[in-house]
Amino acid sequence: QVQLQQSGPGLVKPSQTLSLTCAISGDSVSSNSAVWNWIRQSPARGLEWLGRTYYRSKWYNDYAVSVKSRITINPDTSKNQFSLQLNSVTPEDTAMYYCASWYYTYWGQGTLVTVSS
Amino acid sequence: QAVVTQEPSLTVSPGGTVTLTCGSSTGAVTSGHYPYWFQQKPGQAPRALIYDTSKKHSWTPARFSGSLVGGKAALTLSDAQPEDEAEYYCLLHSGGRGVFGGGTRLTVL
Repeated sequence: QVQLQQSGPGLVKPSQTLSLTCAISGDSVSSNSAVWNWIRQSPARGLEWLGRTYYRSKWYNDYAVSVKSRITINPDTSKNQFSLQLNSVTPEDTAMYYCASWYYTYWGQGTLVTVSS
Repeated sequence: QAVVTQEPSLTVSPGGTVTLTCGSSTGAVTSGHYPYWFQQKPGQAPRALIYDTSKKHSWTPARFSGSLVGGKAALTLSDAQPEDEAEYYCLLHSGGRGVFGGGTRLTVL
């Protein structure tokens, strides 16, 4: 049974960097069959797919066009987790953030991130 | 980036059948978009029901089925139950990127 545990601050100031981590148990971040996703949801923007990372002999990332210039998703094999960094945040980035596994089978508990000074 | 469209709301009678659709602004939806369907109830995270057009997770009730119809992805609910009242979202992938639809609010009444 795969479990995803999210961590990170719930409040970020405008123009700063949003950083969240998703710790994986029950599987490996570098599994050749897994894909690890970040998704967010807000009343204004609905559900928004942000990006993913996966390992297929080397690491790959895909990012949504809407955040491509500001986002980084990194795997951390030493801690078996993956992270989300979103730079230069504005109040529009206020949302519930989720990590999710391949086939979106398993989800983190969600982190409500508010961008406010 | 494609815009993914869904019916804003639909109503189905208990025991009835309803089909939700998911279209793309870039053209016909195909199996290459790996369509997903999610159910979300208030206060909960989305839960995947269908992946790769028509495959079901172990928890997906048999009354839900996925397909491609008329250039769109479709989610058909047969024998609707009161507990099926929820928001339903589709997700399409293209070029490695995913795009969610705006969701369909399904009322069972």
